[in-house]
Amino acid sequence: QSALTQPASVSGSPGQSITISCTGTSSDVGGYNYVSWYQQHPGKAPKLMIYDVSNRPSGVSNRFSGSKSGNTASLTISGLQAEDEADYYCSSYTSSSTQAVFGGGTKLTVL
Amino acid sequence: QVQLQESGPGLVKPSETLSLTCTVSGGSISSYYWSWIRQPAGKGLEWIGRIYTSGSTNYNPSLKSRVTMSVDTSKNQFSLKLSSVTAADTAVYYCARMGAAFDIWGQGTMVTVSS
Repeated sequence: QSALTQPASVSGSPGQSITISCTGTSSDVGGYNYVSWYQQHPGKAPKLMIYDVSNRPSGVSNRFSGSKSGNTASLTISGLQAEDEADYYCSSYTSSSTQAVFGGGTKLTVL
Repeated sequence: QVQLQESGPGLVKPSETLSLTCTVSGGSISSYYWSWIRQPAGKGLEWIGRIYTSGSTNYNPSLKSRVTMSVDTSKNQFSLKLSSVTAADTAVYYCARMGAAFDIWGQGTMVTVSS
């Protein structure tokens, strides 16, 4: 069981927007602005898409955005493209001795 | 730009010790935290632990009794040892730079625990 809870799957059609949630506790997501999101294509290493809740690394499309409310963080992808089909993972700093926790991952299908 | 490359045996026998090394190229290993993360086939990511270039470490409590990390700044490398492995330790192992997030990842190396 993962420390952060994500939906197992989401889907959307090209051009649409989707949102993936990531629910934790006040000891991780809710307590710190250190939530990050990763995109992973099959057989590839994860790629950082969002850090510190809502910041995009250089080179990441502005179609990707992040936000947080209470103990739940969200990743929104607008203008869905076929290449966005992948697994997405959230991660957060945690005040527990674990230091870093991941969500279980969400499979995005572009219909 | 900074790149990471994992290396080590792809097959480890049960009860033995898994040993992996991550080589940092294109930049200095200094002044960063460096992490190991693993992913069993078809499953999610699990943070194993991190090491600072001073040698200070933090480990996932679920693995702490079996994990040892070390760093060699002269070689721009850091390493993972996981003892008493079982089939449950079979996974792709990634090394990553841990700043505000895991911003740079190695390509990953598959480690299978089997006799």
